[in-house]
Amino acid sequence: EAQVTQNPRYLITVTGKKLTVTCSQNMNHEYMSWYRQDPGLGLRQIYYSMNVEVTDKGDVPEGYKVSRKEKRNFPLILESPSPNQTSLYFCASSLRSTGNTIYFGEGSWLTVV
Amino acid sequence: GQNIDQPTEMTATEGAIVQINCTYQTSGFNGLFWYQQHAGEAPTFLSYNVLDGLEEKGRFSSFLSRSKGYSYLLLKELQMKDSASYLCAVRERNYGGSQGNLIFGKGTKLSVKP
Repeated sequence: EAQVTQNPRYLITVTGKKLTVTCSQNMNHEYMSWYRQDPGLGLRQIYYSMNVEVTDKGDVPEGYKVSRKEKRNFPLILESPSPNQTSLYFCASSLRSTGNTIYFGEGSWLTVV
Repeated sequence: GQNIDQPTEMTATEGAIVQINCTYQTSGFNGLFWYQQHAGEAPTFLSYNVLDGLEEKGRFSSFLSRSKGYSYLLLKELQMKDSASYLCAVRERNYGGSQGNLIFGKGTKLSVKP
């Protein structure tokens, strides 16, 4: 089954404790992206990747890091989480050819206290 | 720069028709998508337009005018379950014509009343 898998789905953590949200897709997609969603602000892009070893900043990259060492995985790293990073996070992927829609993971609810 | 605008909220009555507009200014254009998102859930794909005109899919239709940077999503025979946010997203075109980044609007929250 084609899918994008995020882990963890729910996490409560403390300020400053490094954490990684993993994202994996099984569709051989070149493009992957991370978004955060906050009330009234829609989906805001954090980082995206056009292919292996190619990553770019989105609209809100501060406080986040990513890596794309292999095509299927695109982890989101919070080196020193802060309460303003409490949010719902979505990972997504797609083929880069014309017309292909983007597939979303189920979302990760992250709370930083 | 890049900008996608859509109304923040809309209200409509069950059984009616509603049109949700989206205007965009992006670095090149390589297709426009509409997604539906229920609160706390992942967005789900509704429609895709890359050429001008209307694409119809059941109760949902989407229109595109590339010269005007404009699209709309038309929902007919509204049902209570259509209450959700509707996201407009544009795929940019990189220099050289390759597929670029996917940019989302902030979404339109649609409330369907009995």
